[in-house]
Amino acid sequence: ELKVEQNPLFLSMQEGKNYTIYCNYSTTSDRLYWYRQDPGKSLESLFVLLSNGAVKQEGRLMASLDTKARLSTLHITAAVHDLSATYFCAVLTNAGKSTFGDGTTLTVKP
Amino acid sequence: ETGVTQTPRHLVMGMTNKKSLKCEQHLGHNAMYWYKQSAKKPLELMFVYNFKEQTENNSVPSRFSPECPNSSHLFLHLHTLQPEDSALYLCASSQEFGTTSGNEQFFGPGTRLTVL
Repeated sequence: ELKVEQNPLFLSMQEGKNYTIYCNYSTTSDRLYWYRQDPGKSLESLFVLLSNGAVKQEGRLMASLDTKARLSTLHITAAVHDLSATYFCAVLTNAGKSTFGDGTTLTVKP
Repeated sequence: ETGVTQTPRHLVMGMTNKKSLKCEQHLGHNAMYWYKQSAKKPLELMFVYNFKEQTENNSVPSRFSPECPNSSHLFLHLHTLQPEDSALYLCASSQEFGTTSGNEQFFGPGTRLTVL
């Protein structure tokens, strides 16, 4: 059974700081997704990573995928309050199902 | 309407009631999904339909009954639910289920269900 582990689960950081969220998974996959969820809202797709070494950037967020290490990272640069949300990674298995991590709740403080 | 819509947005029901959740996608996708999101639990996949055929049922209790009349609509019929079924139910769609495409999922706003 595929396990997807995110860490940290909770992250409190100050505006302007950098930090990285990690997503480890337990089985072979070369497709990984990052989603954002604001409180009381639905999930919004952020990044789709489709191959080893894939790197995607949007604003202050950058996601990367290392399929050999079974690891994806979501790097936050110079955090701002608007980035406060819960971030989920999801791994697509060979059977075609997406398994989600537990989510990382990010709070950016002034 | 654009994207994925869900109705109702909030639902309170007793354990003996029967209700249905509705999802509609306007993206031309062929796969639709039901997820359950409870507090302090990860997102749980419940059902998947691909080209109107059910491809996944993740050991979901029979008190949840999905229906997919066409590729644009997905229902979740509820009956004799338990209080522990209270959660946010999310619908999603993707171009196709499986590994032949990016399988990026687009989520609806969810239905917040409370079972009394």
